[in-house]
Amino acid sequence: QVQLVESGGGVVQPGGSLRLSCAPSGFTFSSYGMQWVRQAPGKGLEWVAIIWYDGSENRYADSAKGRFTISRDNSKNTLSLQINSLRPEDTAIYYCARVLGNEGHWHFDLWGRGTLVTVSS
Amino acid sequence: QSVLTQPPSVSGAPGQRVTISCTGSSSNSGAGYDVHWYQQLPGTAPKLLIYDNNKRPSGVPDRFSGSKSGTSASLAITGLQADDEADYYCQSYDSGLSNVVFGGGTKLTVL
Repeated sequence: QVQLVESGGGVVQPGGSLRLSCAPSGFTFSSYGMQWVRQAPGKGLEWVAIIWYDGSENRYADSAKGRFTISRDNSKNTLSLQINSLRPEDTAIYYCARVLGNEGHWHFDLWGRGTLVTVSS
Repeated sequence: QSVLTQPPSVSGAPGQRVTISCTGSSSNSGAGYDVHWYQQLPGTAPKLLIYDNNKRPSGVPDRFSGSKSGTSASLAITGLQADDEADYYCQSYDSGLSNVVFGGGTKLTVL
């Protein structure tokens, strides 16, 4: 079954860190770019980061630069998002998604169900 | 403030046609970058609805169609059904940011 499953969310205090994971199945993970998108409660979609199929390049939203790190291990079929110095405004559902197309034409055809990150003291 | 501008809400009666607009600028949709559309049903993850301005993934009914002209794109839904009630998001690429950008989303209500 072709799917993505996120994990690693939870409740964390401001200033803490969290590592989110995304487990793909049913397709050749190493052939696709991957990305993270988040959605704060009751709000719209916010793009976070993207990583090339081979991990050679990545890009971040301005809101994610410096605190977020996207990475992948193609040998272990895993996508990760490390988030440091968490802030209350990072509270959101974090979705991983598969990327189609080249830069400038990226779109996302397969999404996970998301993992909820809550930043609160 | 989203880089791509969508109306916050639209509504229509069952069977009617509705359109959702997505307005960008010269650094994204106006620069020739494609616009893509996603449907997010309540409590679920987004789903790709239209890609490359007007292409439908396999399984998406032809009631959904997309178009783009200049800096604006539109999603049209014909034969409106109750289960079309969802949030709809447009997405493109911005050359100034060198990043993906989303619209703020439009809530479709089926009356």
